[in-house]
Amino acid sequence: KNEVEQSPQNLTAQEGEFITINCSYSVGISALHWLQQHPGGGIVSLFMLSSGKKKHGRLIATINIQEKHSSLHITASHPRDSAVYICAVIQNRDDKIIFGKGTRLHILP
Amino acid sequence: EAEVAQSPRYKITEKSQAVAFWCDPISGHATLYWYRQILGQGPELLVQFQDESVVDDSQLPKDRFSAERLKGVDSTLKIQPAELGDSAMYLCASSLLVPGEPLSYNEQFFGPGTRLTVL
Repeated sequence: KNEVEQSPQNLTAQEGEFITINCSYSVGISALHWLQQHPGGGIVSLFMLSSGKKKHGRLIATINIQEKHSSLHITASHPRDSAVYICAVIQNRDDKIIFGKGTRLHILP
Repeated sequence: EAEVAQSPRYKITEKSQAVAFWCDPISGHATLYWYRQILGQGPELLVQFQDESVVDDSQLPKDRFSAERLKGVDSTLKIQPAELGDSAMYLCASSLLVPGEPLSYNEQFFGPGTRLTVL
């Protein structure tokens, strides 16, 4: 079983829809990253959080440490949001970073 | 805006050949990471440098992979000899070491990656 699980693996939605991507993990963590990877391969860090909620533009990330769960929300989705979204956690016992396999999001115009 | 630079962006080679990838981190970033990402998977850490020292290379296949960061700035990752299974995206990332913060709290900035195809 992977230590970081993301769902769904693939998501196709219409422009304007509210998008939720989930990340569950089984290890103790000190921080969690949400990353965005476009088809060209480059990765952009969206959020790093260890508690509560962060918001940047149309993106919102939440984390529940007790439930070992984080969500990434996209409001008013747009075709340019189409990318792979990766959840990564920093394991607190050894500072190692563990990545999920990613969620492939496709927003249709 | 400062960025992590990588070259080449694409590399095609035959198995048993040697390949090398270069990464120039954001100026002032003490920590540098090399990752390998196989298609459909998340990135996997190969090696982590703190300045010129290797902090973690436990996942680096040392029989064929080597990495160096001689002056603590830019870094080279080499594969010799390349095998078919090495076909992947090789990503470099860097982070600023903030005094008093553990390494894990430092946000990583990723380069565009080098896509390697081994024939």
